Amino acid sequence: ILNVEQSPQSLHVQEGDSTNFTCSFPSSNFYALHWYRWETAKSPEALFVMTLNGDEKKKGRISATLNTKEGYSYLYIKGSQPEDSATYLCAFMAFNKFYFGSGTKLNVKP
Amino acid sequence: NAGVTQTPKFRILKIGQSMTLQCTQDMNHNYMYWYRQDPGMGLKLIYYSVGAGITDKGEVPNGYNVSRSTTEDFPLRLELAAPSQTSVYFCASSPGTGGGQPQHFGDGTRLSIL
Repeated sequence: ILNVEQSPQSLHVQEGDSTNFTCSFPSSNFYALHWYRWETAKSPEALFVMTLNGDEKKKGRISATLNTKEGYSYLYIKGSQPEDSATYLCAFMAFNKFYFGSGTKLNVKP
Repeated sequence: NAGVTQTPKFRILKIGQSMTLQCTQDMNHNYMYWYRQDPGMGLKLIYYSVGAGITDKGEVPNGYNVSRSTTEDFPLRLELAAPSQTSVYFCASSPGTGGGQPQHFGDGTRLSIL
C-alpha cells in the first residue's frame, strides 16, 4: 500500500484570494499523477494528468506542477471564486493501480 | 451522452445478503476501476480491469469479486455483506494506457449494510 498525503485537509478563503494545495507521493515507481475536482453530490472530474517530471499544466485560473524526484505536486488557484468550492483530489499511479489522497476541501466565501 | 452508468444509486442490505453493483460505460474504454469512499477518506481501489477477461486486485479487495466479460460492463459482487462494507462505491473508466489518461467516474452507489 502506497501513501499519498494531501495538505491542508481544508481551506477557507475569501473570493479573490489565490491559494495552493500540496500532494505528496512516493518518489519511486512513478507512472502518473492525476488531479480531480469533486463537487458535493457529484462525481470527481479530471483536472490534470501529469506524467513527466517538471510538468506544468494550466486550465483557466487553475494550474499544477509536478516534481517526481522529490515526490510532490502543487495545485494553484488564482483569484478564487465561489464556484471553485469543492474537494480537490490527487491520485498517484504505480503498477497499474491508483492511490488517492484524502483530498483538500476548499470553501471560497463571496 | 451516458459515459459511466452505475446502478442502483442507493441500496440497503442486511448482513449476510449478497448483491451486485452494476457499472457500464459506452466510451469503449479498456480500463475500468471500482473504488469505495469512506467518510473522511479518499478513494480506495477495490478491483480494476485492463480489458475484457482481465481483472486484478486493488488495495482493498477482500469481500468483493468482479468479472469483465465485455468491454462495456464491470459488475462488482458482494457475496456476504458486512457492516464494514457500508460505503459509497464509484466505478470509473479510462481509455488507452490507463495512467496517461484521465478517469471518468460514475455517479456512485450509496450502500448501507444493517
